[in-house]
Amino acid sequence: SQTIHQWPATLVQPVGSPLSLECTVEGTSNPNLYWYRQAAGRGLQLLFYSVGIGQISSEVPQNLSASRPQDRQFILSSKKLLLSDSGFYLCAWRNPGTSPFFGPGTRLTVL
Amino acid sequence: GENVEQHPSTLSVQEGDSAVIKCTYSDSASNYFPWYKQELGKRPQLIIDIRSNVGEKKDQRIAVTLNKTAKHFSLHITETQPEDSAVYFCAATPGGSQGNLIFGKGTKLSVKP
Repeated sequence: SQTIHQWPATLVQPVGSPLSLECTVEGTSNPNLYWYRQAAGRGLQLLFYSVGIGQISSEVPQNLSASRPQDRQFILSSKKLLLSDSGFYLCAWRNPGTSPFFGPGTRLTVL
Repeated sequence: GENVEQHPSTLSVQEGDSAVIKCTYSDSASNYFPWYKQELGKRPQLIIDIRSNVGEKKDQRIAVTLNKTAKHFSLHITETQPEDSAVYFCAATPGGSQGNLIFGKGTKLSVKP
């Protein structure tokens, strides 16, 4: 069966520091991968999606970036974090005909 | 682009009552509408979904209805239980997208024993 991993589970970072969040998927090939952000008490905002290795589409302008170096690996990065980057970051995957499945998430606090 | 509106933002019901959450969407080409349940501090989990060629789908106490003409869909939970308390999100997949879900802002459901 398919599983999705995210790490770290929680992270506290100072403003201006870099960020790297990792997501890996097992048990599937060539999935569509997504990064969502959920601010406290808010809905889910799509940040990036990828349909294949090296293919990244951005949904909103921001100081974040994403990369997909391998088929089942999706990375979210920032060179300099802002206070507004705090939130719950969720990776998700989807294959055609299936419903999107979310990872356990990373809770990021920027101080 | 697609816009999904969800109402109400909060809903409180007595145990055993029914709960209804409504969503509207703007892109008439949207063809897939899932509902997710998110418990506090956890990931959203799919509870039911419906495709644009179906008007209604039911799974035990949960049902979803879709009105393509009016561009709205609703989640119905019958015989609510305290463990149904959570935040519920509706979503839509715009036509021609790569399966990208656009979410509503969520409904916090509280079921009082």
